[in-house]
Amino acid sequence: DVKVTQSSRYLVKRTGEKVFLECVQDMDHENMFWYRQDPGLGLRLIYFSYDVKMKEKGDIPEGYSVSREKKERFSLILESASTNQTSMYLCASSSKTDSNTEAFFGQGTRLTVV
Amino acid sequence: AQSVSQHNHHVILSEAASLELGCNYSYGGTVNLFWYVQYPGQHLQLLLKYFSGDPLVKGIKGFEAEFIKSKFSFNLRKPSVQWSDTAEYFCAVTAGSSASKIIFGSGTRLSIRP
Repeated sequence: DVKVTQSSRYLVKRTGEKVFLECVQDMDHENMFWYRQDPGLGLRLIYFSYDVKMKEKGDIPEGYSVSREKKERFSLILESASTNQTSMYLCASSSKTDSNTEAFFGQGTRLTVV
Repeated sequence: AQSVSQHNHHVILSEAASLELGCNYSYGGTVNLFWYVQYPGQHLQLLLKYFSGDPLVKGIKGFEAEFIKSKFSFNLRKPSVQWSDTAEYFCAVTAGSSASKIIFGSGTRLSIRP
């Protein structure tokens, strides 16, 4: 059974803190993604990675960075958290060798910045 | 750049009514198309997908979607909805290559009156 695991379901952080969101997948997928989900805006792509140490900006990368040191792990970093980064963050993975397969999602991390 | 439009933000239906949710995409090349569903409190899961062949695709729980290339559309349909179909529905597209980002629409919230 495919599993994408996000390290936390809920996080509360203070403005200005550095925040790490971790995601691990067990399907040996090459592609991994970070989205944020906000009401009425759907899922917006922050960053994605198609291989270890490779990354590409999505539609809203400002204020975020990512790290992919190992194939199974993709981290999202908020360098200095701000209140407008309060959101639900979703990690996903998909196969690069089989482009017809869908993405598999984690349960999400609800981040609140106070 | 790829984009996905879902014109219905919130749809309210009675049980047994027929459903059609609109999805239009903008991308000139080969695409893979998906519909995902997010039930309350759960992670996103795939309803159905299209990548080639028969433009009418059938998914889980009685859902189907039709790819109309000339209209850049991939509308989701179900002939008779149930209360358990209450969820948020997302249309998504990837370009037809392996290392592709997945772009989502803004989602349609479906509420079913018992």
